[in-house]
Amino acid sequence: EVQLLESGGALVQPGGSLRLSCSVSGFTFSSYTMNWVRQASGKGLEWVSTISDRSTNTHYADSVKGRFTISRDDSENILYLHMNSLRVEDAAIYYCSTRIRDHFDYWGQGTLVTVSS
Amino acid sequence: DIVMTQTPPSSPVTLGQPASISCRSSQSLVHSDGTTYLSWLQQRPGQPPRLLISEISKRFSGVPDRFSGSGAGTDFTLKISRVEAEDVGVYYCMQATDFPWTFGQGTRVEIK
Repeated sequence: EVQLLESGGALVQPGGSLRLSCSVSGFTFSSYTMNWVRQASGKGLEWVSTISDRSTNTHYADSVKGRFTISRDDSENILYLHMNSLRVEDAAIYYCSTRIRDHFDYWGQGTLVTVSS
Repeated sequence: DIVMTQTPPSSPVTLGQPASISCRSSQSLVHSDGTTYLSWLQQRPGQPPRLLISEISKRFSGVPDRFSGSGAGTDFTLKISRVEAEDVGVYYCMQATDFPWTFGQGTRVEIK
């Protein structure tokens, strides 16, 4: 069974940093593209970042480019999102999601990031 | 960026009746590999999103056959043949043809 578990969400001040993690099981993590998607409170879904298998390619939304870094540890089956220079508008639930067969085929439960002074 | 526009924003439906959601993209979603990466996701209240349909019309594992997708190019439709109580939630179309990947703004399905 595919499982994804996000962690690392917290309350952080504007300008601060945070590292989100997504621990996965039930599939060969190293073979697949992974994604981060976020959802601000009461709002829709926003794609944040994608990393291909073997970390060959990474992509970012313009809203986070230069501030966020996606990475993966294939030996530990963990996906990361390093977030710097956080803004109030980055506050959201952050979900990790897979591309095993199809784009966004499996999702975690999400981790909440709050950015406030 | 490809803009995804969904209509209607909200769809009140009687149990057992059909529902239909439209999604239009600002440019063709046909990828250079010939595939159209248009998906539909469901988000029930308090839950993470769930993939329903990929590549316009491929139902994901475990998705009931009352859900169907159709369309081509820039115009796509999600249909629920007979709405059940568990179908309440917000439905999103999304494109993964071209970066940045983008979602529609969502359509809320509720029971009348």
